[in-house]
Parts: sequence; C-alpha cells; structure tokens
Amino acid sequence: DVKVTQSSRYLVKRTGEKVFLECVQDMDHENMFWYRQDPGLGLRLIYFSYDVKMKEKGDIPEGYSVSREKKERFSLILESASTNQTSMYLCASSHPGTGGSVGGYTFGSGTRLTVV
Amino acid sequence: GQQLNQSPQSMFIQEGEDVSMNCTSSSIFNTWLWYKQEPGEGPVLLIALYKAGELTSNGRLTAQFGITRKDSFLNISASIPSDVGIYFCAGRWDDKIIFGKGTRLHILP
Repeated sequence: DVKVTQSSRYLVKRTGEKVFLECVQDMDHENMFWYRQDPGLGLRLIYFSYDVKMKEKGDIPEGYSVSREKKERFSLILESASTNQTSMYLCASSHPGTGGSVGGYTFGSGTRLTVV
Repeated sequence: GQQLNQSPQSMFIQEGEDVSMNCTSSSIFNTWLWYKQEPGEGPVLLIALYKAGELTSNGRLTAQFGITRKDSFLNISASIPSDVGIYFCAGRWDDKIIFGKGTRLHILP
C-alpha cells in the first residue's frame, strides 16, 4: 500500500525549541508539500519542493524552513517554535501535474504539534 | 490569488438524508478533486474529475466537473454515520492545487 508517513502523530515542544517534522513517501513522487491546518482557515501551504534540493515558499513560510536531501524525504523545520505554531501539520506528495490527467496529492496522517 | 469558495461550511443532517456541497472559483482548473478527512487523519482522495462536464460516482458519492471548469459539486446519497468528517474540494492546474476551506458534515442520530 503506497503511503506518506509522518514520523510523529503528536508532539509537545517548548517555546524556543528547534522542531523537526519528518515526512517520507514511498511512491517515487517528485513533488512534496507541507501544509498546516487550523480551524476555520483550511489548509495553508507552507513550503513545497518539486525536486531534490529544491524548495519554494508557499503562502505562509515565515518561521519555517525545509530540507529535501533525498527524493523520498521532506523535512519541515521550526527554527524557534512559538505558541502560534501550534497546529496540525500535513505532508503531501504527488507526481508532476503538467499535461495529462494526474490525480491529487497523497497526504500523510498528520502531526499535531502543541507548543507550550 | 486564486481562491475556492466551498459551501456550506458545515451541515447537520439526519442519517439517511442526501447531502450536497459545492465549490466555485474565478479561475479555471484542469482537474477537480474531492477529499474527505476523518478526525485525527489526513485527507484522503475520494474522486478525481479530469474533463469539463464529467460526472463520476464512487459508491454513494457522485461528483461533477462543471462545464465552465470553474465549479464542481459533490453529492452523497443516503448518508450513514461513517460519512462524518470534513470534505474538501480542490482545483488543480499543473503542479498547483488550491483547496477549499472544507464542509464539515455532522450526522444526527
């Protein structure tokens, strides 16, 4: 069964800590994405990557960075966690969408991060 | 930027009722997608639509890709308790997907 795996389902971190959220996919997808999900705000794109060592800012990149050293792994980094980064974080992956009928993203199960 | 307007935001229905939700946009897309998210999980793809006018079913779910390519709807017939969750529409153009804010479905006993 193909999947996107996020390393932690629940995390509790202290303000100011550096936090790493890991995501691994086994579908050989080129594209990978990080979203955060908050009530009433839907899914908001933080960063995405279309290739190894490549990264692009999404709609809300402030306070975050990413790393894509291998095709299957895309890490989200909170350099200095703050309470307003308490949220559900979702990783997703897909094949490139240019031309032809390509489906949607495959999502991981999410990491619920609480910053205290 | 591009936005999807998804409605309604939430629905409270009786078990056995039919459900209808829709998404509209000012932009055209070449793919429309419908996802369901259950509590504590990530969204799971239900239906993908690739052609304007396309009508596709997946069990009790039916979705259509609007003729103008700017809208889509999802119907659920004869709802059951396990239909509870958040339903997201999404429009795709090449590598970019835009998500609606979701319709939260509640089913009353």
